[in-house]
Amino acid sequence: QKEVEQDPGPLSVPEGAIVSLNCTYSNSAFQYFMWYRQYSRKGPELLMYTYSSGNKEDGRFTAQVDKSSKYISLFIRDSQPSDSATYLCAMSSNAGKSTFGDGTTLTVKP
Amino acid sequence: GAVVSQHPSWVICKSGTSVKIECRSLDFQATTMFWYRQFPKQSLMLMATSNEGSKATYEQGVEKDKFLINHASLTLSTLTVTSAHPEDSSFYICSAREGDSEAFFGQGTRLTVV
Repeated sequence: QKEVEQDPGPLSVPEGAIVSLNCTYSNSAFQYFMWYRQYSRKGPELLMYTYSSGNKEDGRFTAQVDKSSKYISLFIRDSQPSDSATYLCAMSSNAGKSTFGDGTTLTVKP
Repeated sequence: GAVVSQHPSWVICKSGTSVKIECRSLDFQATTMFWYRQFPKQSLMLMATSNEGSKATYEQGVEKDKFLINHASLTLSTLTVTSAHPEDSSFYICSAREGDSEAFFGQGTRLTVV
């Protein structure tokens, strides 16, 4: 069993829809939770960085962490075609090394 | 966010030659740098972790003599793929962090060995 599970999709939504992406994990030592966006042939871009449980909002993006359920989510409101990319969740303990999910491919259709 | 520059963005080399990839933190001191490898439609696989001034820690299954990592300063780490073979063709990505802060990624290097 992988330490981090992420549904690879693909996920296709119409423009303006609310997108929900999520990951589950098994390592209770994870304290830091990240979401990255990766466009084709590019390096990952950090979207959200959260420590421990709770919600964090940044513009159209909201990250949620539920450590009791070992479940994290990323919500994208008013999705745009430019949001089409692969979204990677990542987690790390205090040691700093991150473990990544396999990524979810999202397509937002105009 | 902080900027991490990776160079070159793509490289083609002949089988048996060595290739060096650079990763620079432009506006912060990278106390730790990570090197990843990513195959098409797959996630990032950590190859090694390097701390400035010390030897890199390699993940299980990664040949340290083939993938040489040097982190000689707080702003530069290099990955050298020695005696490259076609199976080494991949997308190599570095990330860097200062202390316990979040890590920022370079733009990646696409290596093709012919």
